[in-house]
Amino acid sequence: SQTIHQWPATLVQPVGSPLSLECTVEGTSNPNLYWYRQAAGRGLQLLFYSVGIGQISSEVPQNLSASRPQDRQFILSSKKLLLSDSGFYLCAWRRAGELFFGEGSRLTVL
Amino acid sequence: AQSVTQLGSHVSVSEGALVLLRCNYSSSVPPYLFWYVQYPNQGLQLLLKYTSAATLVKGINGFEAEFKKSETSFHLTKPSAHMSDAAEYFCAVRGQGAGGTSYGKLTFGQGTILTVHP
Repeated sequence: SQTIHQWPATLVQPVGSPLSLECTVEGTSNPNLYWYRQAAGRGLQLLFYSVGIGQISSEVPQNLSASRPQDRQFILSSKKLLLSDSGFYLCAWRRAGELFFGEGSRLTVL
Repeated sequence: AQSVTQLGSHVSVSEGALVLLRCNYSSSVPPYLFWYVQYPNQGLQLLLKYTSAATLVKGINGFEAEFKKSETSFHLTKPSAHMSDAAEYFCAVRGQGAGGTSYGKLTFGQGTILTVHP
């Protein structure tokens, strides 16, 4: 069966520090992968999606970047965090038109 | 382009009462529609989906939703609320027939927090 893992689950970082959130999918190959951000009271916003290794599409201009160094690995990064980067980050993969989400990573920027 | 509006950011019901969570969509092509549930500090779990077959869709945990094209709605209902239904619910839309360019991206509503009182 397929599973999706995200880490770390919780992260507290100072403004200006770097960020790396990792997402790994198991049990499938060449999945479409997505990063969403959930800010309080603002629903889910699609940040990036990837249809293959090294292929990243950005949905909104922002302080974040994404990379896909391996088929089943999707990384969300920032060189310098802003207060506005705080939120709940969700990784997802797609199968048969459905999205399957990881457990999320809660980022607090102080 | 697609968009979703969920009417009511908070809904409160008594245990055993009807649950009704409202979702209206806008889509330039026939839509696929989804309802997801999120428990605190967890990811999203699919409740049900509409993919142009039956307009009344049954999902997990006793939930169902009806696709009404004339009203551009996809409201979520459950006849009798349980305490365990307390969570945040998201409606989402994706355009049909645009898989090549949409890449499966979903557009989500703002979410509705459901509170169930004893």
